[in-house]
Amino acid sequence: DGGITQSPKYLFRKEGQNVTLSCEQNLNHDAMYWYRQDPGQGLRLIYYSQIVNDFQKGDIAEGYSVSREKKESFPLTVTSAQKNPTAFYLCASSSFSGGAKNIQYFGAGTRLSVL
Amino acid sequence: DQQVKQNSPSLSVQEGRISILNCDYTNSMFDYFLWYKKYPAEGPTFLISISSIKDKNEDGRFTVFLNKSAKHLSLHIVPSQPGDSAVYFCAASAQGNEKLTFGTGTRLTIIP
Repeated sequence: DGGITQSPKYLFRKEGQNVTLSCEQNLNHDAMYWYRQDPGQGLRLIYYSQIVNDFQKGDIAEGYSVSREKKESFPLTVTSAQKNPTAFYLCASSSFSGGAKNIQYFGAGTRLSVL
Repeated sequence: DQQVKQNSPSLSVQEGRISILNCDYTNSMFDYFLWYKKYPAEGPTFLISISSIKDKNEDGRFTVFLNKSAKHLSLHIVPSQPGDSAVYFCAASAQGNEKLTFGTGTRLTIIP
């Protein structure tokens, strides 16, 4: 069945290490998004992509990088430059039809912790 | 700056009664609003949305009301059920923009 798959569910990062979070969707959605959730806070947008080979920074892009080589996949790399990476990371996707409003659908999330 | 605000971090409601969750926004360019429900360690699930051309949208037990002049929206759940216990996020987007801005969430607890 269709959906958004995030892996792994839990991830641990050592100091100075880059880690990559996977996000795959089979909904044939054009747009994909990465959010970060911290305790007691809402979801904050890290990066988003509306089309293959193109992506834009969100509100908190520093210390993160993404790629969009395939429509189905939008991996997020948390680099060593991100000094406070411990959070719950959520990937979402939506169909994109210009000015029409579309709902974002979310994966189950990846919890990243620093060792 | 917090453009979407949910001023009540938590709310407890008796089972069978009405739950009312509130959301305020400051950006007058927002024209589409959504409510999501989230259980711990899971992704948010879409509940209901409303366009700024409407002031009410209903879907089963869930109704969203929009007051554009007050820049305020609310989600009504009636009757409340134990499975409704979750964190509810309000989100908004502006015309021509796919990005969503989220509130900080309200934790709803339904008391049996």
